[in-house]
Amino acid sequence: DTGVSQDPRHKITKRGQNVTFRCDPISEHNRLYWYRQTLGQGPEFLTYFQNEAQLEKSRLLSDRFSAERPKGSFSTLEIQRTEQGDSAMYLCASSLAAGAYSNQPQHFGDGTRLSIL
Amino acid sequence: TQLLEQSPQFLSIQEGENLTVYCNSSSVFSSLQWYRQEPGEGPVLLVTVVTGGEVKKLKRLTFQFGDARKDSSLHITAAQPGDTGLYLCAGEGAGNQFYFGTGTSLTVIP
Repeated sequence: DTGVSQDPRHKITKRGQNVTFRCDPISEHNRLYWYRQTLGQGPEFLTYFQNEAQLEKSRLLSDRFSAERPKGSFSTLEIQRTEQGDSAMYLCASSLAAGAYSNQPQHFGDGTRLSIL
Repeated sequence: TQLLEQSPQFLSIQEGENLTVYCNSSSVFSSLQWYRQEPGEGPVLLVTVVTGGEVKKLKRLTFQFGDARKDSSLHITAAQPGDTGLYLCAGEGAGNQFYFGTGTSLTVIP
């Protein structure tokens, strides 16, 4: 399978614990995006990388959230001291883009569903 | 903050009926994409529209991008149960951010 893969698919943890999610994009894609989606809503942008550089971060991304893409390939999203409001689906997407407006589509993984007890 | 508003939010129709979903914004986008999402899965791209006024057809689905590149519509002809899902529009704005709409949940009843 050469699509975007995310791991784990499901994560259940107690409030206050730290969690880390991984995303492996399509191999030739230089852009990688993280989104959060709650039930019945569209995905909300969190952050995105071009290669290893994190270029944009949403105001939704509090200081408990951190994302990395150390070698410009896979990415991790860590949430520290989880809160019940963090319960959501965390989606990763990748695209191949060049220039200011690439008009290139994003390809999504199937997400990591996080449940905070 | 959702920059794109979709309507209707929910739609339940009989198999064979036609429907239109709207995606509206006050912002201009360089491109707009439509996705369909099934429960427990990520969104799957249906189409990308780039030029104002552009119309694209994908079998029974017709997508239109507004002349001013602020809005879009998705029209489905003779809906099938397999069309059931959450339809999302997403606009590419400044800074290469993608802004998703609020979503339209479609149920096609056999």
